[in-house]
Amino acid sequence: GNSVTQMEGPVTLSEEAFLTINCTYTATGYPSLFWYVQYPGEGLQLLLKATKADDKGSNKGFEATYRKETTSFHLEKGSVQVSDSAVYFCALSFYNNNDMRFGAGTRLTVKP
Amino acid sequence: DAGITQSPRHKVTETGTPVTLRCHQTENHRYMYWYRQDPGHGLRLIHYSYGVKDTDKGEVSDGYSVSRSKTEDFLLTLESATSSQTSVYFCASRDRDPYGYTFGSGTRLTVV
Repeated sequence: GNSVTQMEGPVTLSEEAFLTINCTYTATGYPSLFWYVQYPGEGLQLLLKATKADDKGSNKGFEATYRKETTSFHLEKGSVQVSDSAVYFCALSFYNNNDMRFGAGTRLTVKP
Repeated sequence: DAGITQSPRHKVTETGTPVTLRCHQTENHRYMYWYRQDPGHGLRLIHYSYGVKDTDKGEVSDGYSVSRSKTEDFLLTLESATSSQTSVYFCASRDRDPYGYTFGSGTRLTVV
């Protein structure tokens, strides 16, 4: 079946450090890929997405590139801030399919 | 404010009792979803609705039922709560954009 695997956390970084959170997927066909962010006490918010191979999604300094050859969609940010502390979820979905699949989530803590 | 509201935000109930969680959206979205969030599993789809009185099962539907009598309301019922249903429950909605999910802030349910 379709599934997403994320690197386990928690991840703790100092402010201005480089961030990578790994995400790989298993799917029949070519899904769209997403990163969602969840701040404490809140629901998930879409951070970025990519709908086809080699697309790069970007938002708020975060980037991820859809790599079909490695079935990956790793999240990166060049310089993290304390305000980036949150749980990050990788997800996949097919167009007009009502079953979005999420990874287990990676908790990021950024220290001043 | 527009968006999704879930009620209650927190609930503690006893094993064997019925529980109903409510999701209310003001976006006039056609599609609505119920997910549960558990450590190590991310979000998993319980049930979804693609219109008034139109619902279907998700990945983890056993022990849950749903109803949608109005566009804006989507109810999740645990007919007889069990400890394995202790979780955080999220509602989401979307309109025609297959990737434009809006999430509520969640309901933390504890079954003792």
